[in-house]
Amino acid sequence: AQSVAQPEDQVNVAEGNPLTVKCTYSVSGNPYLFWYVQYPNRGLQFLLKYITGDNLVKGSYGFEAEFNKSQTSFHLKKPSALVSDSALYFCAVRITTSGTYKYIFGTGTRLKVLA
Amino acid sequence: NAGVTQTPKFQVLKTGQSMTLQCAQDMNHEYMSWYRQDPGMGLRLIHYSVGAGITDQGEVPNGYNVSRSTTEDFPLRLLSAAPSQTSVYFCAILDRGKGYTFGSGTRLTVV
Repeated sequence: AQSVAQPEDQVNVAEGNPLTVKCTYSVSGNPYLFWYVQYPNRGLQFLLKYITGDNLVKGSYGFEAEFNKSQTSFHLKKPSALVSDSALYFCAVRITTSGTYKYIFGTGTRLKVLA
Repeated sequence: NAGVTQTPKFQVLKTGQSMTLQCAQDMNHEYMSWYRQDPGMGLRLIHYSVGAGITDQGEVPNGYNVSRSTTEDFPLRLLSAAPSQTSVYFCAILDRGKGYTFGSGTRLTVV
């Protein structure tokens, strides 16, 4: 079965430290990869995507993600965390099946940045 | 979450009641969808629509109906609410280049 895994339910990091939120996927073909962020009582917001090209993708709010094809991973990173980065982060993949697009979301990782 | 408007933001229903969750968009996108978000389960697709008059089932369609009479509106109907339908519901439009834009959600509790 095609799936997206976010192995950590929660990640704690001190403000100013680098952060990584992990995502691995198991799908056929060459998927599009996405990261979304959800703040309390809000819908998910697009952060960044990878389609092709450079393995390091830059997105909103200083976030970036590294695509690793051999490890089928797409980890979200930020060099210096802010308290305001505390939120729920979702990884997603877009696959094409029977000529239509299908999105598969991970279960989410809660990031807590400590002052 | 400009562009996708969901109402109501909160709702409490009794088991067996019916209701409609409203979703409207002003971005003229063909593709709209409804997801439910539950702790530890991520987002699960309920129904989606690729244009006015066209709807299809997602991963968890049972207990829900949809219709798409216009490009702008995509209401989700709960026919007979059950406690298992307690969840946060998100409507979303899809830009194929960017991905989804989500509404701010409806938090539904069925007692």
